[in-house]
Amino acid sequence: ELKVEQNPLFLSMQEGKNYTIYCNYSTTSDRLYWYRQDPGKSLESLFVLLSNGAVKQEGRLMASLDTKARLSTLHITAAVHDLSATYFCAGVSGAGSYQLTFGKGTKLSVIP
Amino acid sequence: KAGVTQTPRYLIKTRGQQVTLSCSPISGHRSVSWYQQTPGQGLQFLFEYFSETQRNKGNFPGRFSGRQFSNSRSEMNVSTLELGDSALYLCATARQGEADTQYFGPGTRLTVL
Repeated sequence: ELKVEQNPLFLSMQEGKNYTIYCNYSTTSDRLYWYRQDPGKSLESLFVLLSNGAVKQEGRLMASLDTKARLSTLHITAAVHDLSATYFCAGVSGAGSYQLTFGKGTKLSVIP
Repeated sequence: KAGVTQTPRYLIKTRGQQVTLSCSPISGHRSVSWYQQTPGQGLQFLFEYFSETQRNKGNFPGRFSGRQFSNSRSEMNVSTLELGDSALYLCATARQGEADTQYFGPGTRLTVL
């Protein structure tokens, strides 16, 4: 059974600083997803990582995947207030499956 | 293109009642999955449908059921509601092969009194 752990669960960071959110998973995951959720809203897809060594970047966010270490990271560069949200990673077992197993989420607060 | 649609957006029910939630996927998406989100348990997978067939089911009691129609629209039903069923219910849809991205709807907020 796939288990996904994120850390930290809470992150308060100053604007302009860099930080990394970590996502460890317990067994083979065919794909690794990152989502963003604003308070009271749904989930917004950020990245889908499909293979070992995959790296994707969008604006100040960069996600990477190391399947050997069963680790994905979401790196935040020069944080701005608009990035304040909860970030979830999710894995999936089985090539054709869409059954996502989510981590508990990282609540990010970017303060001036 | 139009996104995933869920109706209703908010619902208040009392214990013992039943409820039906609806999800209309993005055009061309044949996979529909349902998730329950609560502060205590986080995001949990309920079930996934593809071409009217349930492909996967999460660890929820039989009071939770679903179905998918030929136009890919999906419904989930919860019978004999309990206070603990209060949650945000999200559906996610995908078109197999499109980098496997799943797109989430706005959710239905269910409150059980």
